[in-house]
Amino acid sequence: SQTIHQWPATLVQPVGSPLSLECTVEGTSNPNLYWYRQAAGRGLQLLFYSVGIGQISSEVPQNLSASRPQDRQFILSSKKLLLSDSGFYLCAWRTGPKAFFGQGTRLTVV
Amino acid sequence: GQQLNQSPQSMFIQEGEDVSMNCTSSSIFNTWLWYKQDPGEGPVLLIALYKAGELTSNGRLTAQFGITRKDSFLNISASIPSDVGIYFCAGLNSGGGADGLTFGKGTHLIIQP
Repeated sequence: SQTIHQWPATLVQPVGSPLSLECTVEGTSNPNLYWYRQAAGRGLQLLFYSVGIGQISSEVPQNLSASRPQDRQFILSSKKLLLSDSGFYLCAWRTGPKAFFGQGTRLTVV
Repeated sequence: GQQLNQSPQSMFIQEGEDVSMNCTSSSIFNTWLWYKQDPGEGPVLLIALYKAGELTSNGRLTAQFGITRKDSFLNISASIPSDVGIYFCAGLNSGGGADGLTFGKGTHLIIQP
């Protein structure tokens, strides 16, 4: 069966520090991968999606970047975090008509 | 880009009541998905719909794929406290951005004691 791993679960980082969130999927190949951000009690804002290795589409220009170094690995990064980068980050994958989410990372920038 | 209008934004109900929410769009979708998100966790897939007019149940939850393919509905019967959370609809088609996957903004379900 397919599983998705997202870590860390929580993260507190100072303003100006770098960020690296990792997401890996098991049990499937060539998935579409997504990074979403969610403000408290709000909807899902699509940040990046990828349909293959090295292929990244950015939906919202901002302080973040994404990379897909391997088929089932998706990484969200920042060189210098801003206070406004705080939020709940969710990774998701899809190979057919259904999409599945990871458990999320709560990022607090202080 | 494509948009899904999900309503209501919030629902305040009494335990035991039935719940109805919907998603509408100006675009046609091939698949409709309904998710539930508990606080601090990722959304979990509840129901997937693949054909216009399809009616699918998952326990007390029932969802329908609208016949115009531009809308979908989710009903929860006899709500219980653990139904509290945010419900998201999502539509999938072959066009649009993000490889055709679009999410609604969610319905907050709050159950009053």
